[in-house]
Amino acid sequence: AQSVTQPDIHITVSEGASLELRCNYSYGATPYLFWYVQSPGQGLQLLLKYFSGDTLVQGIKGFEAEFKRSQSSFNLRKPSVHWSDAAEYFCAVGSMDSSYKLIFGSGTRLLVRP
Amino acid sequence: NAGVTQTPKFRILKIGQSMTLQCAQDMNHNYMYWYRQDPGMGLKLIYYSVGAGITDKGEVPNGYNVSRSTTEDFPLRLELAAPSQTSVYFCASSYGDTTYEQYFGPGTRLTVT
Repeated sequence: AQSVTQPDIHITVSEGASLELRCNYSYGATPYLFWYVQSPGQGLQLLLKYFSGDTLVQGIKGFEAEFKRSQSSFNLRKPSVHWSDAAEYFCAVGSMDSSYKLIFGSGTRLLVRP
Repeated sequence: NAGVTQTPKFRILKIGQSMTLQCAQDMNHNYMYWYRQDPGMGLKLIYYSVGAGITDKGEVPNGYNVSRSTTEDFPLRLELAAPSQTSVYFCASSYGDTTYEQYFGPGTRLTVT
């Protein structure tokens, strides 16, 4: 069965520092991978997605993610974090059946120090 | 466009009570989903629908029911509320194609005491 692991429950970074959030997936073929962000009290917003092709994908708000098949990873990065980036981040994989459902990781909460 | 709307935003239920969480979308999406979000657990799929009149169970369907009489609406019913159903509930919709992109509502925070 497909699954997603986000090993870090919380991460704290200083404003202006770089960020990397980890995501590992379990799936044999090339997966459809996603990163969503959830600001406090809000629903989820899509940051970026990977289906195929270039393994480095750009998203909104200055985020990018790199697909590494050899490591079964899809880590999210940002070169310089802003205080407004404080939120919860979810990695997800698309199911390979006709439901088109998403299977989410448990999330990583990002705290930003001033 | 309103996107995906959910009502109510907050609700407190007593054990054994029933309620319906409402979800509506105005994007003409065929696919709709209900998730629950528990702290540290990510989002778990409760039920989903691929079109009016068609629903199917997700990962955690016990204690819930759904119906889909129109494309726009996808209500979630709790018949006998239990403390284990205390959670934040999110509704989402999508075109149901290989973009997989789902649009989420703002959520309903439910407490059962």
